[in-house]
Amino acid sequence: ETVLTQSPATLSVSPGQRATLSCRASQSFSSHFAWYQQKPGQAPRLLIYDTSKRATGIPARFSGSGSGTDFTLTISSLEPEDFAVYYCQQRDNWPPIYTFGQGTKLEIK
Amino acid sequence: QVHLLQSGAEMKKPGASVKVSCKASGYTFTGYNIHWIRQAPRQGLEWMGRINPDSRGTNYAQKFQGRVTMTTDTSITTAYMELSRLTSDDTAVYFCAREDEWLSLDSWAQGTLVTVSS
Repeated sequence: ETVLTQSPATLSVSPGQRATLSCRASQSFSSHFAWYQQKPGQAPRLLIYDTSKRATGIPARFSGSGSGTDFTLTISSLEPEDFAVYYCQQRDNWPPIYTFGQGTKLEIK
Repeated sequence: QVHLLQSGAEMKKPGASVKVSCKASGYTFTGYNIHWIRQAPRQGLEWMGRINPDSRGTNYAQKFQGRVTMTTDTSITTAYMELSRLTSDDTAVYFCAREDEWLSLDSWAQGTLVTVSS
């Protein structure tokens, strides 16, 4: 079973600055990698699917990249509403087991 | 638009079972898998398993094998997750979510708080 390790656990960034969040997988896989945003008291929201595609309604300041075992979520210029917890997620091919990273909390500096 | 609505909060005693429902609307229910994910207080997301509403085929995380049962009722476009032999470690918010064409979880319900306490 794949383990996803996110870093850092907490990231402090000022509004308007760039944030880079990382996710490393314990084994390489080809695709089906996603990122979610979760705000307190809310359900997670899909941001990025298939490693680099933005979900419907997600602003262009969010971008995803990566391959193999290393994946990145970049927020180019932080808005106040972007401060939240972010989770990476991948899916094993078969059986179709889903795994989440432990999360990165993005906080205002 | 896609909408998932879960049943209300539950309080259970250790050893009991809980069954949470997830009512889907706004899309063809049998065309998309439904997943269940839980989140313990101040913790991250934990995937529990998924069900294909059409075939009723299931895949469960190994941790929950033998204790979780996922079902669907296509006549009322509702999915269910039943977890048995509850302990305090099962206290969490339980979410259902839809798996999209790209195998990610594009729509989530609001969550159901299950509290296990004697």
